[in-house]
Order: sequence, then C-alpha cells, then structure tokens
Amino acid sequence: EAGVTQFPSHSVIEKGQTVTLRCDPISGHDNLYWYRRVMGKEIKFLLHFVKESKQDESGMPNNRFLAERTGGTYSTLKVQPAELEDSGVYFCASSQDLRDRGTGELFFGEGSRLTVL
Amino acid sequence: TQLLEQSPQFLSIQEGENLTVYCNSSSVFSSLQWYRQEPGEGPVLLVTVVTGGEVKKLKRLTFQFGDARKDSSLHITAAQPGDTGLYLCAGASPFGGGSQGNLIFGKGTKLSVKP
Repeated sequence: EAGVTQFPSHSVIEKGQTVTLRCDPISGHDNLYWYRRVMGKEIKFLLHFVKESKQDESGMPNNRFLAERTGGTYSTLKVQPAELEDSGVYFCASSQDLRDRGTGELFFGEGSRLTVL
Repeated sequence: TQLLEQSPQFLSIQEGENLTVYCNSSSVFSSLQWYRQEPGEGPVLLVTVVTGGEVKKLKRLTFQFGDARKDSSLHITAAQPGDTGLYLCAGASPFGGGSQGNLIFGKGTKLSVKP
C-alpha cells in the first residue's frame, strides 16, 4: 500500500512567486494534515481537513497560504506571493478516522522542501 | 502558548551505551507521542502514551509519561548505530479548540551512535 506522497520534493522560487505543493494521502484516510518546519524551529501544525472540509486551520500563518482538498482526496497548499520566511519543509500527514477502526496514528509524507530566494 | 522543550538537542555516543532523552513542558497534554525521523523522510510514530505514569517498552526503547502528563522521557538501552536519527516528541492538547492531529512538537534530539 502506498504511503503519503508529496510533490515536489524540492522547490526553489524567488520572492513574490507562487508555489503549489501537493499531497496524496493514504487511500481511505479521511483526515489530512499540513505541517511546516522552518529552519531551526520545531514542526508546526498548519491545518486539518476531514474529507473536503477544513476542520482546524488555526495554524495557517496568514492569507498568503491557501489549502484546498476538493473531492476529499488529494490536497494542495498554495503560497502566493511567497516570502523569504516561508522557506522550510512542508509535511503532509494523513490518518484514518477513529470511527473507521483507525488508531488515529498520523502517517507523514517525506515533505516538500521550499526555498524562497 | 504550549511549548515542548526537548533535551539534549544533540547526542553523540558509542555503540552499547545507554541514553535518555527528555521532553518537558509547563502544560498538560492529553497524550504524548514519540517519533523518529530519518534524513529526507517524514516522522514515523514510535509510541503514544496516554495515562500519567505510563511506561511503554519497544524492544530496547522505554518510554515514560510523567504523572502530571507534562513531561516524558525516552530511554535507549545498549544503543546501536541503527538507532541514529532525529527523535521528536509531540503532545496533543487536552483543551478544546484543537483538532485531533493538531500536535505540538519539540525541536527534536539528534542522536548519533558510533560503532
């Protein structure tokens, strides 16, 4: 069974440009999460989807970040316009719903490294 | 703001030695998880502790949750080179407003075990 996949693995863009990161969760996982690790800091929660709905977006830093999960399958995280401080590694994770006999365990992807110059 | 302080930040030891990694906070967590992350990969869950005072063992790894559910430790016995990696603790807040999976991470402990 495929794990959580993220694309691209690394993106280098200039300040002011737009980048879209994609996450494909494990098939059947209704919960999808975005996290970010900025250099030298801890991994921080950005937001949580349950199917196509945003359950919790309390960690989104500002309105330059837009996350979508149309159809409740894959998700995209768009940064527009990108700033220098947006550089970091963006992780996606998915989990099975507890009501579907899931354990709530988060399965993380390998991350998308974003470098803004 | 809830914070999880991990110590030490870096640890370099010889094969066969024992070590302990600590995760401390002034806040209470409903549960605490330990992850291991290899370079270029995402964190992988090792264990979840839920009850204050709980101890869980995973082969040579022993995890403990503090009685007050504010701190946790990871002890590795007879470390091996294969234990090398970044160890992360992450707590789930017991308070409303955060969703399941809204975890607070520590900065991590980078462990290097030399043969």
